[in-house]
Amino acid sequence: EVQLVESGGGLVQPGGSLRLSCAASGFTFSDYSMNWVRQAPGKGLEWVSYITGTTTTIYYTNSVKGRFTISRDTAKNSLYLQMNSLRDDDTAVYYCARNSADGAIDFWGQGTLVTVS
Amino acid sequence: QVVLTQSPSASASLGASVKLTCTLNSGHSRYAIAWHQQQPQKGPRYLMKVNNDGSHTKGDGIPDRFSGSTSGAERYLTISSLQSEDEADYYCQTWGTGILFGGGTKLTVL
Repeated sequence: EVQLVESGGGLVQPGGSLRLSCAASGFTFSDYSMNWVRQAPGKGLEWVSYITGTTTTIYYTNSVKGRFTISRDTAKNSLYLQMNSLRDDDTAVYYCARNSADGAIDFWGQGTLVTVS
Repeated sequence: QVVLTQSPSASASLGASVKLTCTLNSGHSRYAIAWHQQQPQKGPRYLMKVNNDGSHTKGDGIPDRFSGSTSGAERYLTISSLQSEDEADYYCQTWGTGILFGGGTKLTVL
């Protein structure tokens, strides 16, 4: 059974840092590209960052470039998001999401809440 | 740059059918999209991928009541025999250099 379990969320002051983790199981982690997607309270889904299985390709949405860093550890079957210089508008539930080979997101974690205040 | 447009809301009666629309902007009508469902207070769930030729591939465990189709730049999600648990937000998603979501449609089951 595919599972994605996020952790690391919490309350942080503006300008602070936080590191999110996503533990993956039930599939060959290195074969899949992965994403972080967030959802601000009462708002829609917003893609944040993408990383290929080999880490050769990484993308960020413009609003987090230079502040957030995506990474992964194949040995630990884990995906990470290092978030620095956090702002009020980074407050959201952050979801870890798996990419299928054809580009669609095909599996989601349950999310972890980040509150910047 | 690709843009996905969804109506903010839709409604239909219990047991009826509803067709939700995701529209690709000009010049991007050949893009495939994915549909995701988000029930209240839950994380999203992948429903299916819809290709520009109208074919679709559903995720594991997605009921037959859910189907996808295409007409030009429009991608559809049809839900038949509506049930109360279908009341949710529905998002379309595409990909290129990164991932893009539509604004979502809130479906109310009357």
